[in-house]
Amino acid sequence: DGGITQSPKYLFRKEGQNVTLSCEQNLNHDAMYWYRQDPGQGLRLIYYSQIVNDFQKGDIAEGYSVSREKNESFPLTVTSAQKNPTAFYLCASSRHDRGYEKLFFGSGTQLSVL
Amino acid sequence: AQKVTQAQTEISVVEKEDVTLDCVYETRDTTYYLFWYKQPPSGELVFLIRRNSFDEQNEISGRYSWNFQKSTSSFNFTITASQVVDSAVYFCALSEDRGGSNYKLTFGKGTLLTVNP
Repeated sequence: DGGITQSPKYLFRKEGQNVTLSCEQNLNHDAMYWYRQDPGQGLRLIYYSQIVNDFQKGDIAEGYSVSREKNESFPLTVTSAQKNPTAFYLCASSRHDRGYEKLFFGSGTQLSVL
Repeated sequence: AQKVTQAQTEISVVEKEDVTLDCVYETRDTTYYLFWYKQPPSGELVFLIRRNSFDEQNEISGRYSWNFQKSTSSFNFTITASQVVDSAVYFCALSEDRGGSNYKLTFGKGTLLTVNP
């Protein structure tokens, strides 16, 4: 079955440490996205990518980095510069980067700080 | 600036009750898209429906129905005869279409629906 796989489901970060969240899709979608969800809040866009080797900052990109070396993979690194990283992170994809496209989501990664 | 307001933070109902989730949006664009997504306890958001700004027909899909009214900038979602499996967080979202890939997708803060047996 096609879908989006995020790993790990739970991740703990020590102070000063960088951690990487994995996101893989086998839907052959062009566009991929990373969202951050805080309790009682909507989803906020961190980064998005319209095509391989290209990505753009979203609304809250500071303290995060991404890469898009393969169409199916869009890993997110939470760097030590992100001072409040505890949140639920959702990866999504869509066929194309268009306003009318529906998003397909992974099951998320809960990141906590030790 | 575009904005999506889901005024109901939490709703609790008893099974078989009907429940309506409210969504009010703000946009300056004439062409836009509205979405509803469901987030069950498993975490992943699941697409439910999409509406474009030129289509004001209401839609019914099984126990789900959607009422889109441009005059009041609302896109409300009703579940008829609710079931425990409907328990989830429901998000309304707005996408402004400015041509090509230049658009912005804004989510509301979500409504937590709990359906009790």
